[in-house]
Amino acid sequence: KQEVTQIPAALSVPEGENLVLNCSFTDSAIYNLQWFRQDPGKGLTSLLLIQSSQREQTSGRLNASLDKSSGRSTLYIAASQPGDSATYLCAGTSGGSYIPTFGRGTSLIVHP
Amino acid sequence: EPEVTQTPSHQVTQMGQEVILRCVPISNHLYFYWYRQILGQKVEFLVSFYNNEISEKSEIFDDQFSVERPDGSNFTLKIRSTKLEDSAMYFCASSVKRGQSSYNEQFFGPGTRLTVL
Repeated sequence: KQEVTQIPAALSVPEGENLVLNCSFTDSAIYNLQWFRQDPGKGLTSLLLIQSSQREQTSGRLNASLDKSSGRSTLYIAASQPGDSATYLCAGTSGGSYIPTFGRGTSLIVHP
Repeated sequence: EPEVTQTPSHQVTQMGQEVILRCVPISNHLYFYWYRQILGQKVEFLVSFYNNEISEKSEIFDDQFSVERPDGSNFTLKIRSTKLEDSAMYFCASSVKRGQSSYNEQFFGPGTRLTVL
């Protein structure tokens, strides 16, 4: 059974910093790894999806990588802004189940 | 850009009452899902639906829950007799395909916040 862990649970940084959010998973037979953003009390906004055949995906200031052999994915946020403050979730879908398993998320605060 | 929609955005109900949460998946998607997120906890899978039948369900999805696609556009989650612990955010999602496919991305709706009193 896939288990997904996100570290750190919370992060507070000053505006402008580059930062890395970590996601680890136990089942390396992963179909895809998806990163989401969730604002308080709101839904899930998909940020990036990395298929198992890919190593990374980029969208604007965001870059996500996938290393199946080590069971890790990272979300890199460049030049962070206060508007980036939210909870970031990763979810992995692996062999045997077509259902993504979510991590608990990293709560990010970017202060001016 | 097409998106998954959900209604209502917030539902308040009394314990023991039936509730129906509604979702309109993206029109060309074939797979539909319900998830829930209890406040402060992980997003948890409830059920997936394909070709008018349940394809997978979790332990949470017991006899109190049911899903239906009553017409060509809506996908509903019914909770027959709500309990206090059913209070959560419920998310609907849809995808074109699943498994090892470039069309397996799930698109999520904005959620329905269910409060059981």
